Amino acid sequence: NAGVTQTPKFQVLKTGQSMTLQCAQDMNHEYMSWYRQDPGMGLRLIHYSVGAGITDQGEVPNGYNVSRSTTEDFPLRLLSAAPSQTSVYFCASSYSTSGGATYEQYFGPGTRLTVT
Amino acid sequence: GDSVTQMEGPVTLSEEAFLTINCTYTATGYPSLFWYVQYPGEGLQLLLKATKADDKGSNKGFEATYRKETTSFHLEKGSVQVSDSAVYFCALRSLNQGGKLIFGQGTELSVKP
Repeated sequence: NAGVTQTPKFQVLKTGQSMTLQCAQDMNHEYMSWYRQDPGMGLRLIHYSVGAGITDQGEVPNGYNVSRSTTEDFPLRLLSAAPSQTSVYFCASSYSTSGGATYEQYFGPGTRLTVT
Repeated sequence: GDSVTQMEGPVTLSEEAFLTINCTYTATGYPSLFWYVQYPGEGLQLLLKATKADDKGSNKGFEATYRKETTSFHLEKGSVQVSDSAVYFCALRSLNQGGKLIFGQGTELSVKP
């Protein structure tokens, strides 16, 4: 099991450029999510998905798009990069919490993005 | 809405010292509570969890007890090691948005030999 993988590890963009951060998991988890980590603010949810074909917004969705065409993959797209999107991005996955069960979320190693 | 508040860092301790990192939460109902650890340059790893009131989570010498009365989940370790140097995040699993995690701001721990 590779767990949750993310690519790239580092990326530098110019303002206005677009790019896609990749995330994949091989644990057959229904739930996948994207967080951004900023100093002094912990991690904040950008978008999440409870299964293939289903996505929804988190706390800070503006400027980002997601899609979930397969169970394994959950890419995050930056439409027009801005300096405010400089951050470390983490993808996470878990089994679904439906039915009240609680499952651990597994995190990828992160993508460090700088927008100049 | 749901929220988590952690004691601010950085915290600097000598090896074998006692560690407490305070965490309190505000939430609807009784969410599951977690401590995650992030070592330098890495992603987050689950350290321990508790799913109901009075549960004690423990792992690698760390402990935390789910206290409903004080809405707290403080992290403790009796004797820290240099290898425990990391950032520690307290989190709760919300009943909303598919069960998203709501994180505290993180507490950086540095242990000196």
